[in-house]
Amino acid sequence: SQTIHQWPATLVQPVGSPLSLECTVEGTSNPNLYWYRQAAGRGLQLLFYSVGIGQISSEVPQNLSASRPQDRQFILSSKKLLLSDSGFYLCAWSAGSNQPQHFGDGTRLSIL
Amino acid sequence: AQSVTQLGSHVSVSEGALVLLRCNYSSSVPPYLFWYVQYPNQGLQLLLKYTTGATLVKGINGFEAEFKKSETSFHLTKPSAHMSDAAEYFCAVSGPSGGYQKVTFGTGTKLQVIP
Repeated sequence: SQTIHQWPATLVQPVGSPLSLECTVEGTSNPNLYWYRQAAGRGLQLLFYSVGIGQISSEVPQNLSASRPQDRQFILSSKKLLLSDSGFYLCAWSAGSNQPQHFGDGTRLSIL
Repeated sequence: AQSVTQLGSHVSVSEGALVLLRCNYSSSVPPYLFWYVQYPNQGLQLLLKYTTGATLVKGINGFEAEFKKSETSFHLTKPSAHMSDAAEYFCAVSGPSGGYQKVTFGTGTKLQVIP
């Protein structure tokens, strides 16, 4: 069966520090991969999605970037974190178009 | 572009009562619709999905939803609420905007179950 791993579960970082969140999927090939940020009362905001290695679509211009160095690995990065980057970050995968998304357990990011 | 609207950011029901969570969608073509549940500090879990065919969709944990094209609705119901149903619920839509690769989520409804 397919599984998705996301780490770390919680992270506290100072303003201006770099960020790297990693997400990996097991048990499937060529998944669509997604990064979301969730803020209280605002639902899920799609940040990036990828339909293949090296293919990244950005939904919201911001301080973050994403990369997909391997088929089942999706990384969310920042060179310098802002206070506004605080939130709950979720990684998800799907088998393709119109397929439901399956989520990791999320990373709670706090910026001090 | 497709979108969903969830009516009511908070819903309270008594244990054993009917659960009704409302979702209306906007899409120029028949969409694909989903309901997800999220427990605190966890990711989202798929409850059910509508793609094509039968308009009444049954999901996990006793939930079901009915696709009504005339009302552009996809409301989530459960006949009898259980304490373990307390969570946040998200309606979502996938459509031609974005090539069906993207899913647009509603802002969520927090369900409180009163003993």
